[in-house]
Amino acid sequence: GDSVTQMEGPVTLSEEAFLTINCTYTATGYPSLFWYVQYPGEGLQLLLKATKADDKGSNKGFEATYRKETTSFHLEKGSVQVSDSAVYFCALSDAGAGGTSYGKLTFGQGTILTVHP
Amino acid sequence: AAGVIQSPRHLIKEKRETATLKCYPIPRHDTVYWYQQGPGQDPQFLISFYEKMQSDKGSIPDRFSAQQFSDYHSELNMSSLELGDSALYFCASSGAGGPQETQYFGPGTRLLVL
Repeated sequence: GDSVTQMEGPVTLSEEAFLTINCTYTATGYPSLFWYVQYPGEGLQLLLKATKADDKGSNKGFEATYRKETTSFHLEKGSVQVSDSAVYFCALSDAGAGGTSYGKLTFGQGTILTVHP
Repeated sequence: AAGVIQSPRHLIKEKRETATLKCYPIPRHDTVYWYQQGPGQDPQFLISFYEKMQSDKGSIPDRFSAQQFSDYHSELNMSSLELGDSALYFCASSGAGGPQETQYFGPGTRLLVL
């Protein structure tokens, strides 16, 4: 079945540091890939997405590139801020060609990011 | 822009009681998904509906049922509640482009079973 594996956390950084959160996936078809962010006490917000190989999703300084050859979708940001402190979830939807789902999202275990001033 | 609305936001129930969670999708969205997120866990897919018909089913207990109504809102009914049902329940909706459309999440309903 489909699965998503994120780097083990939590991650603690100083403000303006470089961020990488690793994400790899297993899917039967050609999935779409997402990063969602969850701030304390809130719901999930879509951060960025990519729907085909070599696509780069970007938003608010965050970037991730869909790498089919390595089945990865690592999240990066060049300079983190205190306000980026949250839980980050990598997810896939295997609703595309060859996929087996009707759009349900499969999530990774989440990575807690804490940024200190 | 309008977002997904969930009600209630918080719910406290006793064991063996029933609960009904409601979800109002973004206008013109025809697909609704339900997810359960336990403490410190990733969200787990429960069930989805497309055009008022069940489209997919995940790890939803037999004690739970759900449906989507003619106005596209959805309700998740939970009976014989157990302590382990305490979790954050998310609803997400997506547009008319089919299952490949991006899902937008509501703020969640936090259920506590005592």
